[in-house]
Amino acid sequence: QQQVKQSPQSLIVQKGGISIINCAYENTAFDYFPWYQQFPGKGPALLIAIRPDVSEKKEGRFTISFNKSAKQFSLHIMDSQPGDSATYFCAARGNTGTASKLTFGTGTRLQVTL
Amino acid sequence: NAGVTQTPKFQVLKTGQSMTLQCAQDMNHEYMSWYRQDPGMGLRLIHYSVGAGITDQGEVPNGYNVSRSTTEDFPLRLLSAAPSQTSVYFCASRKAQWFPNEQFFGPGTRLTVL
Repeated sequence: QQQVKQSPQSLIVQKGGISIINCAYENTAFDYFPWYQQFPGKGPALLIAIRPDVSEKKEGRFTISFNKSAKQFSLHIMDSQPGDSATYFCAARGNTGTASKLTFGTGTRLQVTL
Repeated sequence: NAGVTQTPKFQVLKTGQSMTLQCAQDMNHEYMSWYRQDPGMGLRLIHYSVGAGITDQGEVPNGYNVSRSTTEDFPLRLLSAAPSQTSVYFCASRKAQWFPNEQFFGPGTRLTVL
């Protein structure tokens, strides 16, 4: 059961272009939405995160857009660079009893070409 | 400050063998967890711990055991390895179980079960 659906699976963008990765969730109780960046051979690292009470959060070239009514959120990478080539995971936090857990999307492999 | 460390980096097992994947963090984090990463499936939570002496199951716990005798260490034990456990395993930690505490991942252990 995939509670967070991520698309596309892979993405090729030219240097300077905009990369857009989309995620959709089902559980309306999710209340924290981070994005992770993972380079080959490394563990994921937090890139940017948003709470559902805001519609957009920007950090440098990275922006999260959040649509609570549609239960969708997306990552936009402006002026994409070859160094941005990595796998990106969206995630959502939900509480189950006494625990707070992240549910991850399936990942998007981004390649930025020269 | 080494962050989250994992050993070994690579491991090959035969079906039925047992082994322990080691995880340690030096950030005095309460919360630690284990994920497995499989192509097209994102990261799935295996087990987690909210403090020393307290562990609980995640999404895919079957075939794995954990214990948390100290704040620093959270080993993952495979009791009788199966080819279905071929995966990349990530240990993660955060200061407390509740978000928005940032979750830090280790570099991963790539396990192959023949």
